[in-house]
Amino acid sequence: AQSVTQLDSHVSVSEGTPVLLRCNYSSSYSPSLFWYVQHPNKGLQLLLKYTSAATLVKGINGFEAEFKKSETSFHLTKPSAHMSDAAEYFCVVLPWTGNQFYFGTGTSLTVIP
Amino acid sequence: DTGVSQNPRHKITKRGQNVTFRCDPISEHNRLYWYRQTLGQGPEFLTYFQNEAQLEKSRLLSDRFSAERPKGSFSTLEIQRTEQGDSAMYLCASSLWEGSNQPQHFGDGTRLSIL
Repeated sequence: AQSVTQLDSHVSVSEGTPVLLRCNYSSSYSPSLFWYVQHPNKGLQLLLKYTSAATLVKGINGFEAEFKKSETSFHLTKPSAHMSDAAEYFCVVLPWTGNQFYFGTGTSLTVIP
Repeated sequence: DTGVSQNPRHKITKRGQNVTFRCDPISEHNRLYWYRQTLGQGPEFLTYFQNEAQLEKSRLLSDRFSAERPKGSFSTLEIQRTEQGDSAMYLCASSLWEGSNQPQHFGDGTRLSIL
């Protein structure tokens, strides 16, 4: 069975400090993994994707994520938070054999000035 | 690339009425997905099409819900006899499938409110 667990429903950081949003997944074989961001009343925007190439993936707006198979994790990081990063973030898994994308419940990021 | 377009952005209707939403995907994308998202939750898969064929439907999709993609381009999602529990954001996404899945591109959604 496939599942995605976002370990924190809410994260709050000060502007200019690092961001860490945690995601663990459960999937057979090697899945594809994605992070999306959603601003209020908007659709989801792709931040980055992992598709079995390099384990450290760079995305847009300075975000990165590292695929760790041994830990079944795909945590999202950014060295320095910006006010515009405040949004909802979703970790998504696409199983190797499947066509359905599975979403985590989301992490709400607040950036404090 | 004009992105995925959804109409209307907002729909307010009385319980028991029928509603229809439209999604225009990115033109070269052959896959189109519908999701439902309630407050504080991630999107829940409803159904998806490859070209005009509806290949998978979630158990969440009751018989009051029907989706079509008649010419393999735009898609419509209809909800008949709406209920309070149908209030949600309905998201459409499209992607290009060429033997492997590519990331989905999402529209801004249609927010449905049932009075």
